[in-house]
Amino acid sequence: AQSVAQPEDQVNVAEGNPLTVKCTYSVSGNPYLFWYVQYPNRGLQFLLKYITGDNLVKGSYGFEAEFNKSQTSFHLKKPSALVSDSALYFCAVRDLRDNNDMRFGAGTRLTVKP
Amino acid sequence: GAVVSQHPSRVICKSGTSVKIECRSLDFQATTMFWYRQFPKQSLMLMATSNEGSKATYEQGVEKDKFLINHASLTLSTLTVTSAHPEDSSFYICSAFSTPEAFFGQGTRLTVV
Repeated sequence: AQSVAQPEDQVNVAEGNPLTVKCTYSVSGNPYLFWYVQYPNRGLQFLLKYITGDNLVKGSYGFEAEFNKSQTSFHLKKPSALVSDSALYFCAVRDLRDNNDMRFGAGTRLTVKP
Repeated sequence: GAVVSQHPSRVICKSGTSVKIECRSLDFQATTMFWYRQFPKQSLMLMATSNEGSKATYEQGVEKDKFLINHASLTLSTLTVTSAHPEDSSFYICSAFSTPEAFFGQGTRLTVV
């Protein structure tokens, strides 16, 4: 079965600095990888996905992620953080060869300080 | 993009009563929907997979008699929390796939008093 690990519970960065939120995955087949953001008492908002093609994926709000097959990673990045980026971020993986459902990481709380 | 609508967004109920949460795919058909539960400051935990026209598949440890799932049409799945207790208070989120991407409802904050 597929699984996702987000090794950091919390990431703190200063506004204007680059940010990275880490994610590693495990699947038996080819992964479909996703990043979602969640604001308090809200559902998940889609940021970006990797299905196939270029390893560097660009998504919403200036976020990007790089698929690294050898390291089984899919870290989320942004060159210059905004205070409004402060939220809970989830990495997710889907393996269509398996259960067809989506598995989530534990989540990483990003705090961007002015 | 595809839209999944979840209703209600908040509900407060008395202990022992039942609560129904609806999840609709507004502009696409979803033969499969998923129900998640999220505890404060934790990730989403898959509760069950809802299959149109057949019984739901529950994850280990989830009481199927307590969390009744009905997926009667290609655009609607419902989760009914029966005989709710305070420990059922949580944030419930549904999702549906418009392959290969998943779309999520807004979530339902259930508080049992």
